Amino acid sequence: GQNIDQPTEMTATEGAIVQINCTYQTSGFNGLFWYQQHAGEAPTFLSYNVLDGLEEKGRFSSFLSRSKGYSYLLLKELQMKDSASYLCAVRDTRTNAGKSTFGDGTTLTVKP
Amino acid sequence: DAGVIQSPRHEVTEMGQEVTLRCKPISGHDYLFWYRQTMMRGLELLIYFNNNVPIDDSGMPEDRFSAKMPNASFSTLKIQPSEPRDSAVYFCASSPGLAGFRTGELFFGEGSRLTVL
Repeated sequence: GQNIDQPTEMTATEGAIVQINCTYQTSGFNGLFWYQQHAGEAPTFLSYNVLDGLEEKGRFSSFLSRSKGYSYLLLKELQMKDSASYLCAVRDTRTNAGKSTFGDGTTLTVKP
Repeated sequence: DAGVIQSPRHEVTEMGQEVTLRCKPISGHDYLFWYRQTMMRGLELLIYFNNNVPIDDSGMPEDRFSAKMPNASFSTLKIQPSEPRDSAVYFCASSPGLAGFRTGELFFGEGSRLTVL
């Protein structure tokens, strides 16, 4: 099975930097995703890591350590619109696309 | 591209009634997923298809739930009979898979919010 843990809630200030952690224990691994979900909307893809290291995409970066079963999403220069739930998802190896198992999400509140 | 299209967006029904949710995936995507999201259980995978064939339905709660994909551009999720505990947002997502060095990320529809009274 798969077990994915994220903090339930975080609060940060506009303009600051926030790091959202995700730890996972899976029977197989074929990539880790981060999705953003605004209240009442669908999740949208943010980032993907399959190899160890940092992937940077504008204000967002994601890091992966496969040996530690650990990832984080780093958000820089926070804006009010970044207030959302951030979902960590791990894809297993069983099939080509595999199925992604989602963590419960971290609700980020950005305050002025 | 129109994205993943789901209908209805909202459905309110009474316990015991049949509910049918519909999904049109992004053209060219070989994978289609049905997820359910609730506050208590988060986002759960119910079933997924590859090239219209069901691959893994281990997440389908019970026999009251069934899903079909008669062709590459249409899928349905049916609940019969519905119960109040089925109230949730049901998301359909499609993915191009991993061919051609793609990441295989999911593209979600806007969801169908189901309320069973």
